[in-house]
Amino acid sequence: QKEVEQNSGPLSVPEGAIASLNCTYSDRGSQSFFWYRQYSGKSPELIMFIYSNGDKEDGRFTAQLNKASQYVSLLIRDSQPSDSATYLCAVNRETNAGKSTFGDGTTLTVKP
Amino acid sequence: EPEVTQTPSHQVTQMGQEVILRCVPISNHLYFYWYRQILGQKVEFLVSFYNNEISEKSEIFDDQFSVERPDGSNFTLKIRSTKLEDSAMYFCASSERAGVAFFGQGTRLTVV
Repeated sequence: QKEVEQNSGPLSVPEGAIASLNCTYSDRGSQSFFWYRQYSGKSPELIMFIYSNGDKEDGRFTAQLNKASQYVSLLIRDSQPSDSATYLCAVNRETNAGKSTFGDGTTLTVKP
Repeated sequence: EPEVTQTPSHQVTQMGQEVILRCVPISNHLYFYWYRQILGQKVEFLVSFYNNEISEKSEIFDDQFSVERPDGSNFTLKIRSTKLEDSAMYFCASSERAGVAFFGQGTRLTVV
C-alpha cells in the first residue's frame, strides 16, 4: 500500500465547474496535510495546508480533512484553464521535523 | 515576495564526478529541505535540516550525499561520485514551520 495515494487521473472538467481531487494516506500518525500545484517542468507551489478535521477555505480552494477515514481532498470551484496542472498531496508527521511524503499527483485539465 | 533561489538551473556532469547544488532559502526560515523528482515520478524527500544539523534523512540520502549550511545564508547539497540514476530535478525548500515548505525552481541534474 502506498503511503500517500491519489487518483492518477487525468481529471478533466469544463471551465467554471468544480474539480474534486482526492488523497488517502496510510500513516494514522500523520498530523499535517498539504496540497501543492505543479505545472509541467516547474517546482511544486504550495496551495493550502490543513491540520484539523473539517473544511478550510481559501478563495476558490477548499481543503477537506477526515482523519478517521485517513482522507484529504481539495475542491477547486469555478475552475479556470490556468488551474490545469498536476496537484500533489503531501503528508507530514510533525515529529519528523517537516519531512513530507508526496503522492504521485493527479493531473487536472480544465477545458475552456 | 521572498523566494527560494537555486543555482545552477541545469547541471550536466560525467558519471563519477562530484556536484554541488546551491540554494538560498528564504531569510527568516528555520527548516531547510532537499527533495528530488526523477522525470515522470513523484517528489521524494532526501533530507531535512534544522538548527544546523540534519533532522531527518531518507534511505536515498546515503553516504554519497551531504548537506551543508556554510555561511548562514546558503544551503548546499553535495553528491559525490554521481551515477546515471542520480539524474533528476533537485528541489530545495524552506519553511518557517515544519512542513509548510516553499520550493525553489529546481536544479535539473543530468549525469552522462
